[in-house]
This record gives sequence, C-alpha cells and structure tokens, in this order.
Amino acid sequence: DAGVIQSPRHEVTEMGQEVTLRCKPISGHDYLFWYRQTMMRGLELLIYFNNNVPIDDSGMPEDRFSAKMPNASFSTLKIQPSEPRDSAVYFCASGPGVDGYTFGSGTRLTVV
Amino acid sequence: AQKITQTQPGMFVQEKEAVTLDCTYDTSDPSYGLFWYKQPSSGEMIFLIYQGSYDQQNATEGRYSLNFQKARKSANLVISASQLGDSAMYFCAMREGEDDMRFGAGTRLTVKP
Repeated sequence: DAGVIQSPRHEVTEMGQEVTLRCKPISGHDYLFWYRQTMMRGLELLIYFNNNVPIDDSGMPEDRFSAKMPNASFSTLKIQPSEPRDSAVYFCASGPGVDGYTFGSGTRLTVV
Repeated sequence: AQKITQTQPGMFVQEKEAVTLDCTYDTSDPSYGLFWYKQPSSGEMIFLIYQGSYDQQNATEGRYSLNFQKARKSANLVISASQLGDSAMYFCAMREGEDDMRFGAGTRLTVKP
C-alpha cells in the first residue's frame, strides 16, 4: 500500500484565495482525521470521519473551513477565504491498522 | 481540558543510553488507546507503539517500550540504546473509545554523540 497520500505537499497562496487540500486514506481504514500543526498550538484535531461520515467537527476553527469525504478513497479540506493565520502544516491520518493510525506526509500551507 | 500532558519540552540523552519520555492522560472512559509518534525534522509522523487500556502487558516494539501504569494514568515511552537518529519530536496521543485522537504538546529529544 502506498500509505496515506496528501496533495499538494506545499501550497503558497494569497490571502483571500480558496485553498483545497486533498487526502487519500489507506484502503480499508474506517477512520480519517484532519489535523493542523503549528508551533504555537501544536497538533490540533480539526475534524474526523467514520465510514465517510463526519463525526466531530468541533475543532474546525471557523466557518471558513470545511471538509468532505465523498467516498472511502478521498477527503478534502477547504479553506475559503484563506488568511495568513491559516499558515500551518495540515495532516490527514487514517486507521486503525496494524501500524496504528497512519499519517500522510502533510501539506505545508503558506498564506501571504 | 487538556487530556494528554507531556511535561518535558526537551530532553537530552547520551548515545547508547536509555531515556524515558513522560506522558500522563486523563479519561473516565474504561476503553481507550494510547499511542506514541515520532516526528523527525523532515516532518513526517511515524507511529511507534500502541497500548490498549485492557492490555495486561506493556507494549514493546524493538527498542521502544511503553511503561503503562493505569492507576497513575501514565504511559511513558522508554527508548533503549539511544541512537543519533532518535533525535526528534515525540508525541503521545490518546483515543477514547471510538472518539477522536488527541495529542500532547510533544517532547523534543536530542541524542548526544
């Protein structure tokens, strides 16, 4: 298995633009988590899905953030409009599997 | 409320020695799982070890072992025979039942040659 695949790896965008982050989980994993990592706040859980259904989105910081999982193979995290304070590394993780919850390589987002 | 606490922002260890990274947690759910992840400077999150709340024995994976003290609600990671490549951030995480998985603030480990 190729693991959890996130795209893009890096994204630089201007304030006010829409940003879409993508995640392909490992096949057969029931859960998918989206996290944001910053120096100040550490790893924050944004939202998680079970069998494609959003279970808890209480970590989504504002209405500017939205996430979808239209099928078991794909999830998106959208920020519209983006702001400089959204700059962070965004991870998705899927599981459970023999290796616990597997993280993708992350998307480093910079909003200028 | 913070459910996972890692009190050591930074730790140093001499190469080939053992080191313990602390993690305490808070939950009233009898069913939970505890995880440790390693994040090297390259940024990826690497799963190290898992301990279930009902597991009778402490988990071990190679040089990693988890010192699980349920009554004290602690799940410390022990790394034996430290190597230079062990220098990284280490995160403890907990998942209660089928709920979310939350992380502690992390400990930065530096292995000295």
